[in-house]
This record gives sequence, structure tokens and C-alpha cells, in this order.
Amino acid sequence: EAGVAQSPRYKIIEKRQSVAFWCNPISGHATLYWYQQILGQGPKLLIQFQNNGVVDDSQLPKDRFSAERLKGVDSTLKIQPAKLEDSAVYLCASSWGEGRTDTQYFGPGTRLTVL
Amino acid sequence: DAKTTQPNSMESNEEEPVHLPCNHSTISGTDYIHWYRQLPSQGPEYVIHGLTSNVNNRMASLAIAEDRKSSTLILHRATLRDAAVYYCILRLNAGKSTFGDGTTLTVKP
Repeated sequence: EAGVAQSPRYKIIEKRQSVAFWCNPISGHATLYWYQQILGQGPKLLIQFQNNGVVDDSQLPKDRFSAERLKGVDSTLKIQPAKLEDSAVYLCASSWGEGRTDTQYFGPGTRLTVL
Repeated sequence: DAKTTQPNSMESNEEEPVHLPCNHSTISGTDYIHWYRQLPSQGPEYVIHGLTSNVNNRMASLAIAEDRKSSTLILHRATLRDAAVYYCILRLNAGKSTFGDGTTLTVKP
């Protein structure tokens, strides 16, 4: 089966600019996650969707970050305006559901550099 | 959130077994223990998970302490391709789970 797709793979922007990332989860997966991974650290959950509803966005900096999952399939994560500290890899993951045994499948990530 | 504690780094020789420990003293009775690994420049990938009993799959074995406050991921014969960051996480209800900073495994030829 096809894995989680993300684009772009790399993005370089200047601070105060805007950027958007796209994620296409594995077909049929109801749960979609966006993580931020700063160099040398583990992934930090930004937002979790169940179908097209938000389950957890407690760690999403809502003054500058937004995410949507239209029709419960693809998702976009936007940063506006970007700050230097937003430089990180943004990982998208999906799973069949929210169960304790459900495996998360990760995409390759988008590496964002903010200058 | 339930937390896990892992050593920052470990080394192993190729072809030898590796035991990666994880402490999760605040685990509740229904939390599952999951292990993921992240190869350089890739997203994390699933390795194994378990609740109470020891588990085996083609990639690794998971040994869970009787009180469930710790677990050990066992790679039976480490290869150079096993060099990665290994994450132990607790998966709670509603899909909640928190990644720590993991253990960086170095495999020496």
C-alpha cells in the first residue's frame, strides 16, 4: 500500500513569510497527526484529527499555526508568519483509528528552514 | 501525559544482541507500550507494541516487566541498518501518546 505522502520535502523561507505543508494519509486512515520535530528532539504533537474533526490541538501555537483536514482525507498545515524558531521537520502521520493498538505511519517529513 | 524515560545513547557491536531499556513508572493499566525507530532523514517507523505479555515480531522482541513499569526492546542481532533513534511511547485512549527524545543506537562494525 502507498505510504503517507508529504510535500514539499524541503522549504526555505525568510522570517515573517508564510508557508504551507500538505499531507496525504494512507487510504482509509481516519486519524491524522501533525508533529514538529526540532533537531535533536523527539516529535512533538501539534494537532490530531479524527476524520475532519480536531481531537487535540493543545500544543498548536494558534496565533501563527493553522491546520485543516477537508473531507477527512488530505490535510494542510500553515504557518503565518514564520519565526526563526519554527525551523524544524514537520511530520505527518496517520492511523486507522485512535485505539491504543493503532500503529502510526509517518511520512518522510518536510524540512523547514526559516532565515 | 504519561512519560517514558530512556538513556540518551547506547552502543552495540554488529551481530550482537541489543537491549534498549525504557522506564514508564506512571503507566496505567490500559496503556499500551509502543516502540518506534527513526532512521536518519526519515520519519519514525513502527517496531512493536505490547500490553502485558512479551511480544515478538520479525523486527524485534519486547519484554515487559511484571509490574509494567519498565520494558526492554531486544534486537537479537544488530546490523548497521539498525542504527537509529529508538522511541518508547505509551499509547493512551483516544490516540494520545507523547514522544520523548529517545535512545540513539550506534552500531559498530
